[in-house]
Amino acid sequence: NAGVTQTPKFRVLKTGQSMTLLCAQDMNHEYMYWYRQDPGMGLRLIHYSVGEGTTAKGEVPDGYNVSRLKKQNFLLGLESAAPSQTSVYFCASSYSLASLSGGRYEQYFGPGTRLTVT
Amino acid sequence: QKEVEQDPGPLSVPEGAIVSLNCTYSNSAFQYFMWYRQYSRKGPELLMYTYSSGNKEDGRFTAQVDKSSKYISLFIRDSQPSDSATYLCAMSDTGKSTFGDGTTLTVKP
Repeated sequence: NAGVTQTPKFRVLKTGQSMTLLCAQDMNHEYMYWYRQDPGMGLRLIHYSVGEGTTAKGEVPDGYNVSRLKKQNFLLGLESAAPSQTSVYFCASSYSLASLSGGRYEQYFGPGTRLTVT
Repeated sequence: QKEVEQDPGPLSVPEGAIVSLNCTYSNSAFQYFMWYRQYSRKGPELLMYTYSSGNKEDGRFTAQVDKSSKYISLFIRDSQPSDSATYLCAMSDTGKSTFGDGTTLTVKP
């Protein structure tokens, strides 16, 4: 049981390049999330998904796209990277109903991807 | 104004001190209250979980929720250097949570 895994762990991009971050979970969770974390700004929700084939915008969606073709995977894409997208990216997953998780809505986080855009 | 406000810190305390970490919120629909701990260069992990108002104790940690005041706290007794981390409060009424910005705690030996 690996929990939530993220690929890659580190990446350096040049401005204008594109990349995809992959998140995978093996807990059969319905909900998945992408956050970015910058110093002094906490976790900011980029996009999230409430089920296979569905996605929704979070707090800071501009410059990112997502896809959830399979329940266990959630992909985050940067089409044209900018220096402002330098950050640590975390993926997380959770149950949709507290009744499925013993009354808890906790999110399980991956180890993060450190992205630098030069 | 943010939906969840967390005391910004940083906090630096000597080993053995009692630590109080606090958050306020504005959404009265929140029923699930969580504290996550995040060590440096790691992802957040759930530390404490409370449903509705009241106290919950787990070892040296106590989570307190006051829904009437829209205020939650995490107390750490006999703090240890291993407690040095960033603590994030989070709240939810559905599967999606709203996080505070975090308080960084350093416990000095």
